[in-house]
Amino acid sequence: NAGVTQTPKFRILKIGQSMTLQCTQDMNHNYMYWYRQDPGMGLKLIYYSVGAGITDKGEVPNGYNVSRSTTEDFPLRLELAAPSQTSVYFCASIDGGAGEETQYFGPGTRLLVL
Amino acid sequence: QKEVEQNSGPLSVPEGAIASLNCTYSDRGSQSFFWYRQYSGKSPELIMFIYSNGDKEDGRFTAQLNKASQYVSLLIRDSQPSDSATYLCAAGGAGGTSYGKLTFGQGTILTVHP
Repeated sequence: NAGVTQTPKFRILKIGQSMTLQCTQDMNHNYMYWYRQDPGMGLKLIYYSVGAGITDKGEVPNGYNVSRSTTEDFPLRLELAAPSQTSVYFCASIDGGAGEETQYFGPGTRLLVL
Repeated sequence: QKEVEQNSGPLSVPEGAIASLNCTYSDRGSQSFFWYRQYSGKSPELIMFIYSNGDKEDGRFTAQLNKASQYVSLLIRDSQPSDSATYLCAAGGAGGTSYGKLTFGQGTILTVHP
């Protein structure tokens, strides 16, 4: 199993550009999450999904959108990039029936908005 | 708003000593607690979880939970230079309604010097 994979690893965006951060998991986990981590800070939840077709906002959803058309994929969309979105983005998944201790994180996407 | 607080450190201990990391949480509804280790430039890695009051030991790691005081700690015995990392404390809610969402502290930087 590859676990949770994320692409790209690093990206530089200009203010106002758009991009999609990709996240795929091959563990058949039903719950998936997007977190952001600013320098020297903990992780903050952006959006989460409890299954295909079901998504909901987390703590810091403004400026982002998500979709979940399959169990495996949970892309995060930035429509109009702003410097405040410079961060490291982590995707994670959980087997919802087994509990949070099954949580796996992807390797992260480092985003720089200039 | 749910909050998890950690002393950001840095905490410096000599090799072989006990490292003590602390965390407090604001939401009395939190039922599950996690310690993650994060090396620089890497994703968080789960090292301990605890659900019940008291101590839980796993190798050199001991997690302690006191729900009355809303306090969680992590002890690392016989600290090694390879333990040098940022340690993130996280709290989860109660069962199915939390959907595995976690609230993270800002992390404590631990340095173990030879």
